[in-house]
Amino acid sequence: GAVVSQHPSWVICKSGTSVKIECRSLDFQATTMFWYRQFPKQSLMLMATSNEGSKATYEQGVEKDKFLINHASLTLSTLTVTSAHPEDSSFYICSARPETSGSYEQYFGPGTRLTVT
Amino acid sequence: GQNIDQPTEMTATEGAIVQINCTYQTSGFNGLFWYQQHAGEAPTFLSYNVLDGLEEKGRFSSFLSRSKGYSYLLLKELQMKDSASYLCAVRDGGSYIPTFGRGTSLIVHP
Repeated sequence: GAVVSQHPSWVICKSGTSVKIECRSLDFQATTMFWYRQFPKQSLMLMATSNEGSKATYEQGVEKDKFLINHASLTLSTLTVTSAHPEDSSFYICSARPETSGSYEQYFGPGTRLTVT
Repeated sequence: GQNIDQPTEMTATEGAIVQINCTYQTSGFNGLFWYQQHAGEAPTFLSYNVLDGLEEKGRFSSFLSRSKGYSYLLLKELQMKDSASYLCAVRDGGSYIPTFGRGTSLIVHP
């Protein structure tokens, strides 16, 4: 099956610093990738939709200047959390939709646990 | 917008059957998903329903009634490894991106 990887799997950073999370589709090309955030015992909340070669589409309430998304190739999207604060501590999950997707295919990465101290 | 409701937590005994319900209210409908998520891991796809009826896949089955805005996930012959959160996700008529419910935490005990 299709595999999506994320790096790093976990990261601890100091308040005020920036953190970059990578999402890669390993065996397929993904025109569209999605970034989710999940707080403990909460659901996955879509942050933004990332389209290769164009600007990301952010969900309401998500600061685009704080969560920078770059989708430079069909296999890589990055999320940079800028000037991180403790309230940004969360589980960040990406998913990718194959270029030749059927009506529902979406494959999730293993997630990145971010802790801001 | 969408409103997706599922129980917060359920418990069941190993070897038993459990049914996890999901109700939703959407503007249009374009498919319902069930995902399994173990703690600290990403969701894994279980099922997809777009037409009414029951879809069976091994020990797991998923049912959909579009007129009632209702779905359930049925897990048979429960195993300890089935302890996880089960997420119901719905696509409305205008999007291919599903919205996730809060998930049901299932605890399977011996």
